[in-house]
Amino acid sequence: DAKTTQPTSMDCAEGRAANLPCNHSTISGNEYVYWYRQIHSQGPQYIIHGLKNNETNEMASLIITEDRKSSTLILPHATLRDTAVYYCIVRGRNAGNMLTFGGGTRLMVKP
Amino acid sequence: EAGVAQSPRYKIIEKRQSVAFWCNPISGHATLYWYQQILGQGPKLLIQFQNNGVVDDSQLPKDRFSAERLKGVDSTLKIQPAKLEDSAVYLCASSLVSWEAFFGQGTRLTVV
Repeated sequence: DAKTTQPTSMDCAEGRAANLPCNHSTISGNEYVYWYRQIHSQGPQYIIHGLKNNETNEMASLIITEDRKSSTLILPHATLRDTAVYYCIVRGRNAGNMLTFGGGTRLMVKP
Repeated sequence: EAGVAQSPRYKIIEKRQSVAFWCNPISGHATLYWYQQILGQGPKLLIQFQNNGVVDDSQLPKDRFSAERLKGVDSTLKIQPAKLEDSAVYLCASSLVSWEAFFGQGTRLTVV
């Protein structure tokens, strides 16, 4: 699996958009970008995933660059409950592919 | 829909003792994962099952850790003997489709 690089921590003001970047310059053509988050004392939670097109769901938007070497997770209106560690993962689509977490970005949403 | 169940939630043992964790995945989920999460780090995959079979266990310290998934449903993870560095949260997850894994609350192990 390709490795990812994320900032260690970020702050965001409540109500503003939180933009979390991820670099995955060695991603291969059949690998997807997945985002999970982990709120304190809970297990990780799936957010969104994509291959090359931008994706949006009720939780977030995922913007993937045209060369697929980086992506950004956008939380459009961050709330205090979005304070968590956000993990960017690159992984093949098959269920047999390993789900490997890195260090993630610790997002602190401040009032 | 019931989530992934893990037990116990907390466990304190002395070094060199043995311990077992239990996981009941979401019904019908073929893929089951065990992770170790040390404080301040991301979860580290220990073993991944697809039904009864092991997909990957390259990060499982096999001299002391073992895991099994009987009948492709419940799973147990065992540590024998435990070391101080095994203190961590042990997370179980399951998935039906490849992109969304559901995690349990975890078992917090303290080895003293």
